[in-house]
Amino acid sequence: NAGVTQTPKFRVLKTGQSMTLLCAQDMNHEYMYWYRQDPGMGLRLIHYSVGEGTTAKGEVPDGYNVSRLKKQNFLLGLESAAPSQTSVYFCASSAGRGYQPQHFGDGTRLSIL
Amino acid sequence: AQKVTQAQTEISVVEKEDVTLDCVYETRDTTYYLFWYKQPPSGELVFLIRRNSFDEQNEISGRYSWNFQKSTSSFNFTITASQVVDSAVYFCALSDYNYGQNFVFGPGTRLSVLP
Repeated sequence: NAGVTQTPKFRVLKTGQSMTLLCAQDMNHEYMYWYRQDPGMGLRLIHYSVGEGTTAKGEVPDGYNVSRLKKQNFLLGLESAAPSQTSVYFCASSAGRGYQPQHFGDGTRLSIL
Repeated sequence: AQKVTQAQTEISVVEKEDVTLDCVYETRDTTYYLFWYKQPPSGELVFLIRRNSFDEQNEISGRYSWNFQKSTSSFNFTITASQVVDSAVYFCALSDYNYGQNFVFGPGTRLSVLP
């Protein structure tokens, strides 16, 4: 019963490098989300998707891109990593409407040197 | 715009004390949903409860209880007889009915329960 799985769990990058974070869910959820969590700032929405093939910007989208080619997967890309993107990244999914709780992955701790 | 405020950044209590975590929200919607999540030291986010705007009944689940008051736009969370395992960061969140993307989290309250 995996739920939401994030890969990798930890990563260290150098400034300017690129990488992709993978999120996979097995609950057949329509909505998927990427958040970043920084000390004292709670969770901030980066991008989200309301269904396969769709993506939209959240509160802090700059420097990130996303893709949802398959319903179960939601990818977060950093094209040119910057130290300001050092954070813990969480993926979540929900069945759709606002009354549905979001289910979270275990997070990815990303450090940019 | 929707907003969630958790004014208590950090709280420390001694085991077996009762503790209340405050959550104040702002929304123009008449139908909305409130949530509490727990983030233990291991880092994962665990869904605790959902409450809709039409149901102001207090809810109790074991040592946990929630007090929803529309008049003060508050959705407070009380832990009775706290235990060390309750140590975590607790997030309050607000969502409107229609759009799952309008899910706003508060900054969180870090609760430390000391033995």
